[in-house]
Amino acid sequence: EAQLVESGGGLVQPGRSLRISCAGSGFAFGDYAINWVRQAPGKGLEWLGFIRTQPYGATTDYAASVKGRFTIFRDDSKSIAYLQMNSLKSEDTANYFCSRYSLSDILFTFDNWGQGTLVTVSS
Amino acid sequence: DIQMTQSPSAMSASVGDRVTITCRASQGVTTYLAWFQQKPGKVPKRLIYAASRLQSGVPSRFSGSGSGTEFTLTISSLQPEDFATYYCLQHGNHPFTFGPGTKVDI
Repeated sequence: EAQLVESGGGLVQPGRSLRISCAGSGFAFGDYAINWVRQAPGKGLEWLGFIRTQPYGATTDYAASVKGRFTIFRDDSKSIAYLQMNSLKSEDTANYFCSRYSLSDILFTFDNWGQGTLVTVSS
Repeated sequence: DIQMTQSPSAMSASVGDRVTITCRASQGVTTYLAWFQQKPGKVPKRLIYAASRLQSGVPSRFSGSGSGTEFTLTISSLQPEDFATYYCLQHGNHPFTFGPGTKVDI
């Protein structure tokens, strides 16, 4: 069974950095792009960014709200994708989810999500 | 960037009601449109993909339609477990964007 598990969330001070992880199992992790999505408390879903697979150069796209501060990268040997978050602000406080995305079959797009990891930015 | 709007933003409904939620994109996204259901404290669950294809395991009372810029999610007969917030997502163009959500309550 395909599974994604986020980890690494926690309390971080404004202006600091944090890296969270998304570990995949039960499927060919390297064959899927990975999205990061967040949800602030009581708010809607916000798509943050996306990393393609190695055949597509592992290139990335980001939402304007985080471009230049957040970076996504992946280590397919470990089946992990990362979200590096820099210069964190209080408005980055949210539950962060990852979701897989097939570039060749729409059936496998956003079909599987992790349970989320909570990031709280506060002094 | 493509902006997504949903209407209504919230609605009250009763068990057995037919519910229709509309999602509009500011530019065409062909059928790269998915619908998600989310209950409080839970992970979003995909209901519909490719605008009209039903996710395996999702009850047939859910259906999706549309292409281009206008899409609908219909629940033919609302059940107690359907009270939740529903989001559309376009993934036809980067950056991908979610709609603001529609909360369906009693």
